[in-house]
Amino acid sequence: RKEVEQDPGPFNVPEGATVAFNCTYSNSASQSFFWYRQDCRKEPKLLMSVYSSGNEDGRFTAQLNRASQYISLLIRDSKLSDSATYLCVVTFNKFYFGSGTKLNVKP
Amino acid sequence: ETGVTQTPRHLVMGMTNKKSLKCEQHLGHNAMYWYKQSAKKPLELMFVYNFKEQTENNSVPSRFSPECPNSSHLFLHLHTLQPEDSALYLCASSDRTDTEAFFGQGTRLTVV
Repeated sequence: RKEVEQDPGPFNVPEGATVAFNCTYSNSASQSFFWYRQDCRKEPKLLMSVYSSGNEDGRFTAQLNRASQYISLLIRDSKLSDSATYLCVVTFNKFYFGSGTKLNVKP
Repeated sequence: ETGVTQTPRHLVMGMTNKKSLKCEQHLGHNAMYWYKQSAKKPLELMFVYNFKEQTENNSVPSRFSPECPNSSHLFLHLHTLQPEDSALYLCASSDRTDTEAFFGQGTRLTVV
């Protein structure tokens, strides 16, 4: 079983839609959780950290459910510029990257 | 800018060449990483250095040889590579191995 699993997508949504991604992890002792964004042929960039209490940054909301071992990312009012691959990252003494979920926001 | 710089950005090399990739971080981090990303594939961790010591080698072939002379610099020495080694090679750094990592822009390597 992979340490981190994500639905690869693609998720094709119209502008203005709300879209949610989930990610599950296998190690209950995992320490830190992040969402990264990767544009085509570019490096991954940190989007936001994920905390048990949930956290929001503008149109983006991240949640962590330790009991069920999943994290989520909600994007409201999608923009064309949100089109990218979203990577879920979990740490337990090192980084474990998910394989990414591709989002295509259409006009 | 992320504070992690990689050179060169693009590299084309023959299978008999020897070349080196360089990574430098200006963030005061203690851990540095090499990742490989082949076309349309997930990131693959290659090596981890923590306080200049190699703590992980993810079964990487010996034709890839890392070097970490200090906490700010990381090299990847390449020799006798194969065409299937063509990929984007990404360097990253983090303060600890469980805190957020920041990536360089990568070196796009083509082996001919």
